[in-house]
Amino acid sequence: AQSVTQPDIHITVSEGASLELRCNYSYGATPYLFWYVQSPGQGLQLLLKYFSGDTLVQGIKGFEAEFKRSQSSFNLRKPSVHWSDAAEYFCAVGAIDSNYQLIWGAGTKLIIKP
Amino acid sequence: EAEVAQSPRYKITEKSQAVAFWCDPISGHATLYWYRQILGQGPELLVQFQDESVVDDSQLPKDRFSAERLKGVDSTLKIQPAELGDSAMYLCASQRSGTAGGYEQYFGPGTRLTVT
Repeated sequence: AQSVTQPDIHITVSEGASLELRCNYSYGATPYLFWYVQSPGQGLQLLLKYFSGDTLVQGIKGFEAEFKRSQSSFNLRKPSVHWSDAAEYFCAVGAIDSNYQLIWGAGTKLIIKP
Repeated sequence: EAEVAQSPRYKITEKSQAVAFWCDPISGHATLYWYRQILGQGPELLVQFQDESVVDDSQLPKDRFSAERLKGVDSTLKIQPAELGDSAMYLCASQRSGTAGGYEQYFGPGTRLTVT
């Protein structure tokens, strides 16, 4: 069955430090992968997506993610976090054979220490 | 930049009352989704529309929830009667098409429902 795992429920990072949020997926075919961010009380905003091609994708707000097929992973990274990056981050995989629906991870809450 | 519109942003209702949420997707987006999100969890799909047709409502509690998209544009999600367990964020998302390249979903700001 298709699934997305975000192993870290919470991550605390100091402002200015680097960040990596983990995402592992289980999907039989070539996946379409997404990272979304959600600020408290808000909707979800697309950070970046991977469909094909270069496995390192750049997104908005200085984020990037790397697709590693051998590890079934799509980890999100940022070299230097800002206090405004505090939010919940969701990884999702697109399922072409399920009406193009997205399978969602449970999310990782990012806490920024001053 | 075009956005998905939702209203109201907040709704407080009493148990057993009816409540309705409205969503206007990005112009030209044929696919529309309604999600429910419990605090601290990922979105849970309730219903998916392609134009005015329901593609998937397998997770919609049909004894109390209904959704429609009569003209294939905006959509309404209704709960009647509301129960305490319905307290959640209700999110609407739209998608340009069901084909690769138009795969990403764009979300509205959501409606925070509190049932008392």
